[in-house]
Amino acid sequence: GAGVSQSPSNKVTEKGKDVELRCDPISGHTALYWYRQSLGQGLEFLIYFQGNSAPDKSGLPSDRFSAERTGGSVSTLTIQRTQQEDSAVYLCASSFSSGSYNSPLHFGNGTRLTVT
Amino acid sequence: QQPVQSPQAVILREGEDAVINCSSSKALYSVHWYRQKHGEAPIFLMILLKGGEQKGHDKISASFNEKKQQSSLYLTASQLSYSGTYFCGTVINNNDMRFGAGTRLTVKP
Repeated sequence: GAGVSQSPSNKVTEKGKDVELRCDPISGHTALYWYRQSLGQGLEFLIYFQGNSAPDKSGLPSDRFSAERTGGSVSTLTIQRTQQEDSAVYLCASSFSSGSYNSPLHFGNGTRLTVT
Repeated sequence: QQPVQSPQAVILREGEDAVINCSSSKALYSVHWYRQKHGEAPIFLMILLKGGEQKGHDKISASFNEKKQQSSLYLTASQLSYSGTYFCGTVINNNDMRFGAGTRLTVKP
């Protein structure tokens, strides 16, 4: 596909379980971002990848959150021992340039995570 | 590092104008503007680079004052399709993008 693809689109999990969220960026995009959006709220920065490395992990809320990117392409965001406050829409975005300052971000449709 | 947006919400009648402001406490490489409609992903509107430039997209334009570390988005003669939440994104270190809390714009007939 031409756009950023995220899967699953919806995920319902029980408190304490682990979840994996996947992002497939636009082909050729070197930069990849994860954001979290709670209901009616803004875009909370989680982590940024340039290629396979993550220069900035400062946004990850706790050590239960981790992310990786392989082959400069697909990224996985893992949340361990999920809590109810983790419920949100997780958005992935990618951009072409090695610096985001002059390159638009293209967003996926997000994964809506509900922790019961 | 998150920019500050104002106002939080705006309600307009079709044809009216609005201004949304975005400011940062840090020096900026650039400012991005995005619009998100309910239940959808944010979509890109425009990027403003250093140099105090202005840009326009149909009847939506923006300015960037790098000295004041501020940007403003101008919506003129608003249309119903302009409704949504507008986010400014700021780039500080040529890498990651941080977004403001958003401005919810509602245009009524």
